[in-house]
Amino acid sequence: ETGVTQSPTHLIKTRGQQVTLRCSSQSGHNTVSWYQQALGQGPQFIFQYYREEENGRGNFPPRFSGLQFPNYSSELNVNALELDDSALYLCASNSRGGSGELFFGEGSRLTVL
Amino acid sequence: GEDVEQSLFLSVREGDSSVINCTYTDSSSTYLYWYKQEPGAGLQLLTYIFSNMDMKQDQRLTVLLNKKDKHLSLRIADTQTGDSAIYFCAVADDKIIFGKGTRLHILP
Repeated sequence: ETGVTQSPTHLIKTRGQQVTLRCSSQSGHNTVSWYQQALGQGPQFIFQYYREEENGRGNFPPRFSGLQFPNYSSELNVNALELDDSALYLCASNSRGGSGELFFGEGSRLTVL
Repeated sequence: GEDVEQSLFLSVREGDSSVINCTYTDSSSTYLYWYKQEPGAGLQLLTYIFSNMDMKQDQRLTVLLNKKDKHLSLRIADTQTGDSAIYFCAVADDKIIFGKGTRLHILP
């Protein structure tokens, strides 16, 4: 059991709507990263949060934003949803300066119609 | 930018060894990972290696790292039907870059 939990597991939205995905990191982990995995592809890095600040960002537009809270949990927000945003969104946590282990949650599967 | 390449498919007979290969471009990678993903599931961390290591063995899994050639491999000994999945190589420095995954198919 990885200890990283994500919610919701599945959701359906329509184009133009906004979505918030949530992640609780594994106990003791202070860094959270978000990834987008389209069907048949590897996960693509969206951004990383460390101590409540964005600490690295992939090639995603500003309508992808996030937050990290004092308890190290995190949210991913996507505004103005597009059809291509349909994917599995994965959250991963690790401890900066720790062993290097990076654990993933089971993901939130977003379908945009 | 950083890139991680893997072959897309591998077929192996049950009981044989599977070797999944990965090449990467970022020489500053600190950690190198292998993840397993079964249909509809998230990513399961199988093993990882620190960049100053050449080899790591964990039960049926052996990871080999050739830093000079930027080549990482995962060997699964005595491959079983439960090993059928997609295997992702990932390399990490300030962020983690994944390959597209190798789908391992087990032949009876």
